[in-house]
Amino acid sequence: DVVLTQTPLSLSVTPGQAASFSCKSSQSLLKSDGKTYFFWYVQRPGQPPNLLIYEASKRFSGVPDRFSGSGSGTDFTLTISRVEAEDVGVYYCMQGFQYPLTFGGGTKVEIK
Amino acid sequence: EVQLVESGGDLVQPGGSLRLSCAASGFTFNSYWMNWVRRAPGKGPEWVANIKEDGSESYYVDSVRGRFTISRDNAKNSLYLQINSLRADDTGVYYCARGWPPSFWGQGTLVTVSS
Repeated sequence: DVVLTQTPLSLSVTPGQAASFSCKSSQSLLKSDGKTYFFWYVQRPGQPPNLLIYEASKRFSGVPDRFSGSGSGTDFTLTISRVEAEDVGVYYCMQGFQYPLTFGGGTKVEIK
Repeated sequence: EVQLVESGGDLVQPGGSLRLSCAASGFTFNSYWMNWVRRAPGKGPEWVANIKEDGSESYYVDSVRGRFTISRDNAKNSLYLQINSLRADDTGVYYCARGWPPSFWGQGTLVTVSS
């Protein structure tokens, strides 16, 4: 199975400041079709996960442009350019390169 | 409005069975892959299974293969998960999620396996 390792485990951020966190895959997530099968989700308290980023860097419909994804192959980063109070939650990466789909352990974001 | 409403979660003894259901509305159900994803207490999400639009293909995580069966009834806009031989580590909230990747999720139904 593809293992995804997220760092840090938690992050405390001042509103208005930027936040970045990482996800590393145990193998490349780039397929022969040229697509990278890597995704970012956020699970806010009491809510199901919401898809933020697909194919490593594409924002899903309705996701604010303060969220951006970058990276390729095995190393990926999610950046929130200006954190807002509503961004609290746990951020998970997920791979769809092969079955079973797997998630990282999550990065918990708290607001100072 | 897109809606996914899960039901069927319960407190069950180890070795027991459950059938989870997911009622879909607000979109063309038979145009989407559908997934079950679970979240155990204190852990991250774990993808469990998914099924193709027409039901012709399905995939499972190894830990549930042979015990869980995903199915769908496109005429009823419904997704199901038959869970047999339940174990304590099957405890968690089970979410129905639309699409590939899973892009819209229901609120989940709680399965608790305990004696």
